Amino acid sequence: NAGVTQTPKFRILKIGQSMTLQCTQDMNHNYMYWYRQDPGMGLKLIYYSVGAGITDKGEVPNGYNVSRSTTEDFPLRLELAAPSQTSVYFCASSVDLSPLHFGNGTRLTVT
Amino acid sequence: AQTVTQSQPEMSVQEAETVTLSCTYDTSESDYYLFWYKQPPSRQMILVIRQEAYKQQNATENRFSVNFQKAAKSFSLKISDSQLGDAAMYFCAYLNRDDKIIFGKGTRLHILP
Repeated sequence: NAGVTQTPKFRILKIGQSMTLQCTQDMNHNYMYWYRQDPGMGLKLIYYSVGAGITDKGEVPNGYNVSRSTTEDFPLRLELAAPSQTSVYFCASSVDLSPLHFGNGTRLTVT
Repeated sequence: AQTVTQSQPEMSVQEAETVTLSCTYDTSESDYYLFWYKQPPSRQMILVIRQEAYKQQNATENRFSVNFQKAAKSFSLKISDSQLGDAAMYFCAYLNRDDKIIFGKGTRLHILP
């Protein structure tokens, strides 16, 4: 009963470094999402996917890339990390518009 | 461990009427934040209202208000004068001082014309 699993839980990056945030779900959900939450703010959608091979931009996609080669996995790639990307990142999944299942989040600090 | 429970998977309300969405949480902390988020079909998560636990006064944002009962660990959302655009999934969320946020499972709200 793993649900949505995100790794790592914490990461510190230097400006200009790259990294991939991993997200996997074992519920066979077709929809997957990446959100970021800045301190004191709401969640902002970065990218989402309605199924394997299909991805779409959310409201804040700049500086990020995603891929969806399988139903289970939806990694988020940060290229050339910037301090503005310091945030907590949430992955979530759902079946169509059913309730979202959230991962536990990844806290990223870019210094 | 903290938990957030939304006991109503789905609710319906007639347009222009008032509806209340329930949320309860479990925590041993005294300092925390509570939120209601709205997720429309666009899939964005929109922050509807926020409540600081140390504030006794219930938060209000236009047609949205909360009934925060700290002792009972209850945080319900009231939507007055419901509009068709209010149809969405609504998530209750808890945030502690370590910035760990926990979401409820959500309540799907239908607005009946």
